[in-house]
Amino acid sequence: AQSVAQPEDQVNVAEGNPLTVKCTYSVSGNPYLFWYVQYPNRGLQFLLKYITGDNLVKGSYGFEAEFNKSQTSFHLKKPSALVSDSALYFCAVRETSGGYNKLIFGAGTRLAVHP
Amino acid sequence: NAGVTQTPKFQVLKTGQSMTLQCAQDMNHNSMYWYRQDPGMGLRLIYYSASEGTTDKGEVPNGYNVSRLNKREFSLRLESAAPSQTSVYFCASSFGTTSPTSTDTQYFGPGTRLTVL
Repeated sequence: AQSVAQPEDQVNVAEGNPLTVKCTYSVSGNPYLFWYVQYPNRGLQFLLKYITGDNLVKGSYGFEAEFNKSQTSFHLKKPSALVSDSALYFCAVRETSGGYNKLIFGAGTRLAVHP
Repeated sequence: NAGVTQTPKFQVLKTGQSMTLQCAQDMNHNSMYWYRQDPGMGLRLIYYSASEGTTDKGEVPNGYNVSRLNKREFSLRLESAAPSQTSVYFCASSFGTTSPTSTDTQYFGPGTRLTVL
């Protein structure tokens, strides 16, 4: 079965500094990886995805993620954090079984960006 | 386009009461999903519907039933609510393909916050 792990419950960053939110995965076959963001009292919003191709994936709001096959990681990054980036971030992997797709989510990482 | 909509936004039930959570999407997606979100556990799949007329159990289906009413609508029913079902419930939809060249990104509704006393 596919799985993802987010080793940090919370990440604290000062505004203007680079941020990294970590995700590692365990899959059989090629991984289909996603990042979602959840702002307070809101649903999840799609940020970016990795299917195949370039290891650096660019997404919404200036975020990018680096796929590393040898380290089985898919870390989310942003060069310069904003206070408005403070939210809950979820890494997910797509699992296909019985001809259907499902998303397997990590536990989430809370990002706090301080002024 | 409204995307994925859910009703109600908030609900408080007493133990043993029943209720139905409604979800609709206007993106002409084939697949729909129900998740629950609990602190420290991420989102867990309750039920999903790969296409109109089909439903399947996810990771945590006990205590729930679903109905895929048509292509747009997918409802989740709690027949006899229990305090353990206190959670935030999210509906999602996707185009629904297993093609290796397709992303099949899921899009989420705003959620229903349910409290069972």
